Amino acid sequence: AQKITQTQPGMFVQEKEAVTLDCTYDTSDQSYGLFWYKQPSSGEMIFLIYQGSYDEQNATEGRYSLNFQKARKSANLVISASQLGDSAMYFCAMRNNNDMRFGAGTRLTVKP
Amino acid sequence: NAGVTQTPKFRILKIGQSMTLQCAQDMNHNYMYWYRQDPGMGLKLIYYSVGAGITDKGEVPNGYNVSRSTTEDFPLRLELAAPSQTSVYFCASSLQGPFYGYTFGSGTRLTVV
Repeated sequence: AQKITQTQPGMFVQEKEAVTLDCTYDTSDQSYGLFWYKQPSSGEMIFLIYQGSYDEQNATEGRYSLNFQKARKSANLVISASQLGDSAMYFCAMRNNNDMRFGAGTRLTVKP
Repeated sequence: NAGVTQTPKFRILKIGQSMTLQCAQDMNHNYMYWYRQDPGMGLKLIYYSVGAGITDKGEVPNGYNVSRSTTEDFPLRLELAAPSQTSVYFCASSLQGPFYGYTFGSGTRLTVV
């Protein structure tokens, strides 16, 4: 069975600084996808970044990058140059052939 | 392009009542899902479907039923609502395979009193 672990219930970061949100996963599948979603206070789920299990390069999308360490089964999200609008819940998720499972989330607060 | 449409957005139910949460997608995705999100928590899979006529249980299926008569629609039925079913419900759809992400609906906030 898949398991996603986010060990940081809450994180604080100063505006314009970088922050890393941790995610580890457990699966016996060889083919899987790793995803990060942002959920602002308005409640919608916003896709941020994706990494495939066979991808050798770390994924990047603007200010977001995914630090993928396959042997350690970790997929940490790095947000560079934090902005006040980055304050939200962040969820790590893993997809196998059928469905996606989510971690418990990390609440990020950006301080001015 | 509407994506995934969920209705209603908000609903208050009394204990013991029943209701159906509607979900429709217009992207011709075979895979559809229902999740619930309790306050301050992640999403838990209730049911999913890999195509019309095929459904399967997720992590937390008790108290819910689904059907999938068409590719577009995937309604979630709550029978005999209980306070423990107070949650935000998300419907999502996707293409088949581990390398495709989801398109989420905007969610239904359900309160059972």
